[in-house]
Amino acid sequence: GQNIDQPTEMTATEGAIVQINCTYQTSGFNGLFWYQQHAGEAPTFLSYNVLDGLEEKGRFSSFLSRSKGYSYLLLKELQMKDSASYLCAVRDRADSWGKLQFGAGTQVVVTP
Amino acid sequence: EAQVTQNPRYLITVTGKKLTVTCSQNMNHEYMSWYRQDPGLGLRQIYYSMNVEVTDKGDVPEGYKVSRKEKRNFPLILESPSPNQTSLYFCASSLSWTRPGRTSHNEQFFGPGTRLTVL
Repeated sequence: GQNIDQPTEMTATEGAIVQINCTYQTSGFNGLFWYQQHAGEAPTFLSYNVLDGLEEKGRFSSFLSRSKGYSYLLLKELQMKDSASYLCAVRDRADSWGKLQFGAGTQVVVTP
Repeated sequence: EAQVTQNPRYLITVTGKKLTVTCSQNMNHEYMSWYRQDPGLGLRQIYYSMNVEVTDKGDVPEGYKVSRKEKRNFPLILESPSPNQTSLYFCASSLSWTRPGRTSHNEQFFGPGTRLTVL
């Protein structure tokens, strides 16, 4: 298995930028995912990185460095509706092709 | 509407009484998976299926069974539930899991969740 670490909680102001870091250890990295989960709801897909670099999708961007075992999710122009838990998940083909492991999630609180 | 459905959404049961949580998707997805979510532990994978008749254990398979007799359905079976299986359960599916370079194939869609309490 792999360790996936992300901060427990982050607070930011509406309109600001927040960066959520995720570090992981794998022996056969094969993709990293970010999901958003509002309280009481199912996770929804935000991004997927398998190659190094930045993937931008509107206000959200995700970055990956495979050599450093590091990713971040960048949330720009924060809105109140962005208050949610953000989950980092990693697939490791050395473990099993179909397995996916999640971090414990980062609770982002957006304040007015 | 493309979706993943789970039933029941809420269930309170007693120790030892067999139960099944159904999961169905209408997107012709090959890959399906079950997770449980507990406070402080995040999502943990129970079982997954790469395609019909192909299932494999995730990180926490003990006490659970699954089957994949047809592409759209992936039921989760608890033969003898115990209180430590009280949790929030999610089913998810994706188009496939064998093309790591294609985002569209790897995006997982989650069902609404089943909140299970075992007394």
